[in-house]
This record gives sequence, structure tokens and C-alpha cells, in this order.
Amino acid sequence: GESVGLHLPTLSVQEGDNSIINCAYSNSASDYFIWYKQESGKGPQFIIDIRSNMDKRQGQRVTVLLNKTVKHLSLQIAATQPGDSAVYFCAETGDYKLSFGAGTTVTVRA
Amino acid sequence: NAGVTQTPKFQVLKTGQSMTLQCAQDMNHEYMSWYRQDPGMGLRLIHYSVGAGITDQGEVPNGYNVSRSTTEDFPLRLLSAAPSQTSVYFCASSFTSNTEAFFGQGTRLTVV
Repeated sequence: GESVGLHLPTLSVQEGDNSIINCAYSNSASDYFIWYKQESGKGPQFIIDIRSNMDKRQGQRVTVLLNKTVKHLSLQIAATQPGDSAVYFCAETGDYKLSFGAGTTVTVRA
Repeated sequence: NAGVTQTPKFQVLKTGQSMTLQCAQDMNHEYMSWYRQDPGMGLRLIHYSVGAGITDQGEVPNGYNVSRSTTEDFPLRLLSAAPSQTSVYFCASSFTSNTEAFFGQGTRLTVV
């Protein structure tokens, strides 16, 4: 079946460096993509979203890139901080269903 | 504005027992959904609703029932709990399936 997945399960990054988290999706009908952050013991929190008619969207310290040709989504975090340590999920919406990938655990080194 | 409220936060059930996980939102969202989260599996969609009176199955619906009698509430019922249903359950709501979803804090369920 079609699914959303992530390339790497873990990412270790030095504080102050930029982080890049990747995601591959397979549902060509998906038209809305979201990145969520989940801290231990909490529900997922919205970070940033992008619609299929865009290829880039920027927020505060975060940028999402969408490449529909290769069905690839990425989240860039600028100047990574200790508070960015969490699990990051990409998600896509198709056929009224919001589907999640398995997640990437980001650890920030001091 | 409370957002999405889930109760209870923790629950232990014996195999075969039934229970209802409650979910309420005060944002007038039409779209609501239930997920379960298991280690290494991400979040998997159980059931969803695009509005009051309308529900549909997600990826893993077996063993669960839902109803949507009001816009605010979307309870999830376990008919006969099994150890395989041990998981963390999250409820989410949004205006539509194509807008930002807000999640509750989760219910950690253990079936023994």
C-alpha cells in the first residue's frame, strides 16, 4: 500500500548547526504535507505545512521543501537548539486521511 | 480555550474488558481522528470523522468503534480489549483533513 516514510530513524546534530530531516512519500494524490514535532510524553505539535502547489515554505528557523517529481519532503532547522531534541514526523493527506511516517529522532549535542 | 482534551490519561484493562476513550475539542473543528502509536511504528490511523454523523475507517480499525453525535466529541470504544491493543492513543482535530491538526496529550492504555 501507499505510505509515508522517513529515510533515517535518528539524527545527531551539534548545537548551532543546521539540521535536515528527510521524508519520502508514495501517494501521488496527496496534496497537503505537514511536519510535526513530538516531545517525550506529549502529543505531536504542528511545526510547518506545505501544499502541493508550492515547493518551499519558511517559518521561524524552519523551512520545508517539497519535491513532487521524486516525492520527497524535507525539514530544515536552522541553528539547532537543545529544545529541538524530539521525534519529528512527516505526514501527508490524501483521500481525507492524514498518514504519518515512522519518525526521526533528533538529538542535539551540546 | 482547552483545545483537544483526552480522558483518561492512563488506563489498565484486563483482556476482554470494554472501555471508551473520550475526546473533546472546543475549536469547532469538523474533522476528528484517532491514532495509535506503538514503538517504531509512528502514528497509525484508526478511525476518522469529517463531521457530525459521519465516520470512516482508517488503517487499523479492527477492534475499535467510533461515533460522532456532536461536533465536539469523538469517543473511541474498545469492545473487547486484547493485549495487542496496548498502545498510546491520540485524538486529533482540524477544520478539514487539509488543515493543521491539533492533538490531545494521549491516553496510555495497557491491556493485561
